[in-house]
Amino acid sequence: AQSVTQPDIHITVSEGASLELRCNYSYGATPYLFWYVQSPGQGLQLLLKYFSGDTLVQGIKGFEAEFKRSQSSFNLRKPSVHWSDAAEYFCAVQAGNQFYFGTGTSLTVIP
Amino acid sequence: NAGVTQTPKFQVLKTGQSMTLQCAQDMNHNSMYWYRQDPGMGLRLIYYSASEGTTDKGEVPNGYNVSRLNKREFSLRLESAAPSQTSVYFCASTLPGSTEAFFGQGTRLTVV
Repeated sequence: AQSVTQPDIHITVSEGASLELRCNYSYGATPYLFWYVQSPGQGLQLLLKYFSGDTLVQGIKGFEAEFKRSQSSFNLRKPSVHWSDAAEYFCAVQAGNQFYFGTGTSLTVIP
Repeated sequence: NAGVTQTPKFQVLKTGQSMTLQCAQDMNHNSMYWYRQDPGMGLRLIYYSASEGTTDKGEVPNGYNVSRLNKREFSLRLESAAPSQTSVYFCASTLPGSTEAFFGQGTRLTVV
């Protein structure tokens, strides 16, 4: 069965520090993977996606993610976090017509 | 180009009342989805519609019904609301094939 695990419920980082959010997936075939961001009271916005090809994908707002098939992971990274990055982040895998989401990681940025 | 529009944005219901959440997209997408978001549980799929005229159950369909009125609109109905249905509901849509899902702004529903 398809599933997505985000092991970190909440992460706090200082502004300017680097960030890595973890995502592990379970899916039998080649996965289509996504990272979404949700600001308070808002819907989900796509940060980046992986379908095939280069395993390091670039997204909006300076985010990137690396697909590692051997580890079934798709971790999200940012070299220098800004206060405006405080939000909830969701990893998702697409299987056929359906999307499966992780439980989310809440990011707090301290000055 | 509005994307995915959900109405209402907020709603309070009494237990046993019924209501319909509306969703419309103007991107000519084939597939549409209804999710609920609860703390610590991420987004869980209630129902989806792969194309006009078809609907399928997702992970948590009990207590809900849906209608794919046309290609643009996909409504979610609660026939007899229960406190367990207090949640934030998101509608989403996609094009055929593997691509991103576009989300509405959500409906925050409270059942008292």
